[in-house]
Amino acid sequence: EPEVTQTPSHQVTQMGQEVILRCVPISNHLYFYWYRQILGQKVEFLVSFYNNEISEKSEIFDDQFSVERPDGSNFTLKIRSTKLEDSAMYFCASSLGQFQPQHFGDGTRLSIL
Amino acid sequence: DAKTTQPTSMDCAEGRAANLPCNHSTISGNEYVYWYRQIHSQGPQYIIHGLKNNETNEMASLIITEDRKSSTLILPHATLRDTAVYYCIVRGGTSYGKLTFGQGTILTVHP
Repeated sequence: EPEVTQTPSHQVTQMGQEVILRCVPISNHLYFYWYRQILGQKVEFLVSFYNNEISEKSEIFDDQFSVERPDGSNFTLKIRSTKLEDSAMYFCASSLGQFQPQHFGDGTRLSIL
Repeated sequence: DAKTTQPTSMDCAEGRAANLPCNHSTISGNEYVYWYRQIHSQGPQYIIHGLKNNETNEMASLIITEDRKSSTLILPHATLRDTAVYYCIVRGGTSYGKLTFGQGTILTVHP
């Protein structure tokens, strides 16, 4: 069964550094999402992406965040200048249609020191 | 998206059916009920979704009341591997497809 893959599984970065989290969505999917989960808290929506542009973003997704689909297979989340509070699990998801089921990767654990 | 209410935790014996309730009394006509689960800190896993009819797949059954104000996820023969947090999510309407997760129900399956 096709799956969403995320790399790396764990990223450790110094505060203030830029970090790029990578995702390979399911190949025929058209809608792409990033979510995050701070330890012990709820899964929170960050951004949705369709047709090479952001379709919706949350309040968390401020100017420090950006997303890109640089080629036909990858979907990336960049945090420009990381803060301690960015430490979380980041999940990528994709779906075939806007309201079709989203399928999630196993996440990247981001630790900011 | 409509808000959902789920019990904080539930227990179930291995091999028995697990019935997880969800209230969504403010659901609107074009909103779907989705169920996901999260095992440890893995990514959420899609289970099933429905609009107004009952649905069944290889993982579970979804029973939606006629007024659509509540639903029940049924795992027919729970195993230890079904121990997870189960999320009931109402999705659709004016959103662009995002999922809004609550705290969910912690289901513990006992031997």
